[in-house]
Amino acid sequence: KQEVTQIPAALSVPEGENLVLNCSFTDSAIYNLQWFRQDPGKGLTSLLLIQSSQREQTSGRLNASLDKSSGRSTLYIAASQPGDSATYLCATGANSKLTFGKGITLSVRP
Amino acid sequence: GAVVSQHPSWVICKSGTSVKIECRSLDFQATTMFWYRQFPKQSLMLMATSNEGSKATYEQGVEKDKFLINHASLTLSTLTVTSAHPEDSSFYICSATSPRGMAYEQYFGPGTRLTVT
Repeated sequence: KQEVTQIPAALSVPEGENLVLNCSFTDSAIYNLQWFRQDPGKGLTSLLLIQSSQREQTSGRLNASLDKSSGRSTLYIAASQPGDSATYLCATGANSKLTFGKGITLSVRP
Repeated sequence: GAVVSQHPSWVICKSGTSVKIECRSLDFQATTMFWYRQFPKQSLMLMATSNEGSKATYEQGVEKDKFLINHASLTLSTLTVTSAHPEDSSFYICSATSPRGMAYEQYFGPGTRLTVT
C-alpha cells in the first residue's frame, strides 16, 4: 500500500526566501506525482503534475522534481511571498487513484 | 477549462437526517468521478470511485449503504450521507477526470463542509 509522507507538517519563513518542500513515497510504481495547494477551508488547486517518465516540471516560481528510484519529490518555491501561505499537498497517481500526503502548511512572514 | 463545482459549499444538518452533495463537471464530460473526505489537518482519503452508469467502487472501510453515490450522467455525481452522525462531520471533496487532461489527472471541486449536530 502506497504511503506518502510530507515532513515537516508546518514551516514558517520570511518573505523572499527560496524554499524546498519535500515529499516521499514508498512505492515507486507510480504513473505521476502532483503537487496541490489548498487554502483554509477550500478545495485543491493543481500546481504541477510530473509524469513518471519526467524528472521535473516548472511553472513560474515553482519547480517540482521527481526521483522515482529514491521515492522522492521536491517542490521548490523561489522568492516566496505572503500570498504563497497555504497548505501544499503532494499525491502519487497509480491504478487510477491518487494517494495524498498530509500536507505542509507554509506561512510566509512579511 | 476542466472546472468542477460542488453544491452546497457548506451544510449543517441534525443527527439522523440525510444530506445530498452534488458534484458537477461544468465544461467537460467526466466518465469518472472521485469522492474524498478530509478531516482537519489530515490528508484526503479516497472514499469511492464512480463511473457514469455503473455502481461506485468503494474503498475498504467505507460503508456503501451509508455513503450512497450516484453517477447518473456524464456531468453529475451525487454523494448522499444517510442517517448522518456527528462523526460524519468532515470536508467532502469530489474530483473528475477529463478526456482532455493527462492520464490520471484529476480536477477538484471546491469542497463541501458538512457539520452534523
